[in-house]
Amino acid sequence: TQLLEQSPQFLSIQEGENLTVYCNSSSVFSSLQWYRQEPGEGPVLLVTVVTGGEVKKLKRLTFQFGDARKDSSLHITAAQPGDTGLYLCAGVWNAGNMLTFGGGTRLMVKP
Amino acid sequence: GAVVSQHPSRVICKSGTSVKIECRSLDFQATTMFWYRQFPKKSLMLMATSNEGSKATYEQGVEKDKFLINHASLTLSTLTVTSAHPEDSSFYICSAPEGANYGYTFGSGTRLTVV
Repeated sequence: TQLLEQSPQFLSIQEGENLTVYCNSSSVFSSLQWYRQEPGEGPVLLVTVVTGGEVKKLKRLTFQFGDARKDSSLHITAAQPGDTGLYLCAGVWNAGNMLTFGGGTRLMVKP
Repeated sequence: GAVVSQHPSRVICKSGTSVKIECRSLDFQATTMFWYRQFPKKSLMLMATSNEGSKATYEQGVEKDKFLINHASLTLSTLTVTSAHPEDSSFYICSAPEGANYGYTFGSGTRLTVV
């Protein structure tokens, strides 16, 4: 069973601060996704990374896929209260297109 | 973009009754649908994988007789929680892949409360 370790589990910061969320695995994934989930709703895809070393930016969010495709990070610059939510990384390995989720990072940005 | 419509969004039922949750793929065909369960403040836990026209594959520890999954068409997958008990109360979410390296489209989830 492939496992994704996500850290930190919980993060409470002030508006304007920067933060990084990490996602690590012992397995090589064919792709890795980052999602954001609001309470009572399904996860919404933020980005998919496929190539080792790939970096993608989405406004103030920067996503990086490790060279070995075993880890990924999400960096948020100048966090805002609207960034508050549950961030989930999820990896896909080749068999069956199955998604494996990390444990999630609950982010709270205080104004 | 692709949309998965999940209904109902919220349901309260009495112990011993059964509840059916539907997920429909709109504008695309979902040959595979994943069903997840999520406990409060926790991540998503895969329950089973349904494939159109064949039996669902259940994850270890998930009772197939308890959680009946049917994927009768390329646009509809259903999860029926049979003889529900309070411990079945949870947030259930379905998801369909859009392609090998694309993200997955999730339903909006169903909050089940068994009283």
